[in-house]
Amino acid sequence: AQSVTQPDIHITVSEGASLELRCNYSYGATPYLFWYVQSPGQGLQLLLKYFSGDTLVQGIKGFEAEFKRSQSSFNLRKPSVHWSDAAEYFCAVGLNQAGTALIFGKGTTLSVSS
Amino acid sequence: NAGVTQTPKFQVLKTGQSMTLQCAQDMNHEYMSWYRQDPGMGLRLIHYSVGAGITDQGEVPNGYNVSRSTTEDFPLRLLSAAPSQTSVYFCASSFAGTSGLNFGPGTRLTVT
Repeated sequence: AQSVTQPDIHITVSEGASLELRCNYSYGATPYLFWYVQSPGQGLQLLLKYFSGDTLVQGIKGFEAEFKRSQSSFNLRKPSVHWSDAAEYFCAVGLNQAGTALIFGKGTTLSVSS
Repeated sequence: NAGVTQTPKFQVLKTGQSMTLQCAQDMNHEYMSWYRQDPGMGLRLIHYSVGAGITDQGEVPNGYNVSRSTTEDFPLRLLSAAPSQTSVYFCASSFAGTSGLNFGPGTRLTVT
């Protein structure tokens, strides 16, 4: 069965510093992978997705992620964090090699210090 | 388009009561799914549907029923509410497996 691990429960980054959020997945075939963000009291917004092609994908708000099959990872990065990026971030894998429904990780909470 | 709508926004139930959480979408999406969100647990898939008349279980289906009689609606039924079902429930829909999910605003349910 698919699973997603986000090893970091909480990360604090200084404003303007770079960010990397880790995500590892468990799935035998090529996965469909997604990153979502949830701001406090808000709903979930899709940041970016990967299902084939170029392993470096660009998303909204200046985020990018790289799919590494050898490491079963799909880490999220941003070169310069803004205070408004403080939120909870979820990595997810598509169920049964499709994105019709998703299996989520437990999330990483990002705090941004000034 | 209203997108994905969920009603009610808030609900308090007593243990043993039953209720239905409503979910509707006006985007003609084939795929719909239900999740619960609990602190420290992320979102967990309850049930999903790949089209009208077709539903399947997710990670945590016990205590919940679904049906999909139309493309637009995907209600989630709690048969006999338990305190362990206190959670925030999100409904989502998608056009295709590669498009990502559109989430509703959520229903906050408390079972006492």
